Amino acid sequence: TQLLEQSPQFLSIQEGENLTVYCNSSSVFSSLQWYRQEPGEGPVLLVTVVTGGEVKKLKRLTFQFGDARKDSSLHITAAQPGDTGLYLCAGAGNFGNEKLTFGTGTRLTIIP
Amino acid sequence: DSGVTQTPKHLITATGQRVTLRCSPRSGDLSVYWYQQSLDQGLQFLIQYYNGEERAKGNILERFSAQQFPDLHSELNLSSLELGDSALYFCASSLSGGTQYFGPGTRLTVL
Repeated sequence: TQLLEQSPQFLSIQEGENLTVYCNSSSVFSSLQWYRQEPGEGPVLLVTVVTGGEVKKLKRLTFQFGDARKDSSLHITAAQPGDTGLYLCAGAGNFGNEKLTFGTGTRLTIIP
Repeated sequence: DSGVTQTPKHLITATGQRVTLRCSPRSGDLSVYWYQQSLDQGLQFLIQYYNGEERAKGNILERFSAQQFPDLHSELNLSSLELGDSALYFCASSLSGGTQYFGPGTRLTVL
């Protein structure tokens, strides 16, 4: 069974601070996706990373896929209250095994 | 708005009953996935259909079944409901594989 562990599970920081969320697995994934989910709503895709070592930037968010495609990180610079939410990483297998294995989630709270 | 629609938004029913959840994928997407999200288990993959055919099965109970119709919409049928089936049920779609886009979910409450 593929497992994705996220850390930290909970994070509460002041507005303006930086933070990093980690997503680790012993399994290799063909791609990894990061989602943000608000209470009672569906996960909203933030980014998909495919290549080992790939780095993608989305405004103040930086996503990195590990060289071995087993782990990923999400770094937020100068966090804002609007960044508050549940962040989920999800790994996908190759063609024919596209189901997503979700991480345990990181609940982020940004204090104004 | 992801383009994936799900109905109903909320569903309240009693133990032992049967319900049907409906999903319409994004225009052009051939794959539909069903996931269950509960407080203690997180988001768990249930089943995937591709162009009307079952492609992959996850942790789906025998009491649950799904199908994808020729117009590519999908239904998830849950029967003999138990209290533990209370959860958020999400549908996602993708073109063939790759990035999945999630619907707003159906919140099922079994009393």
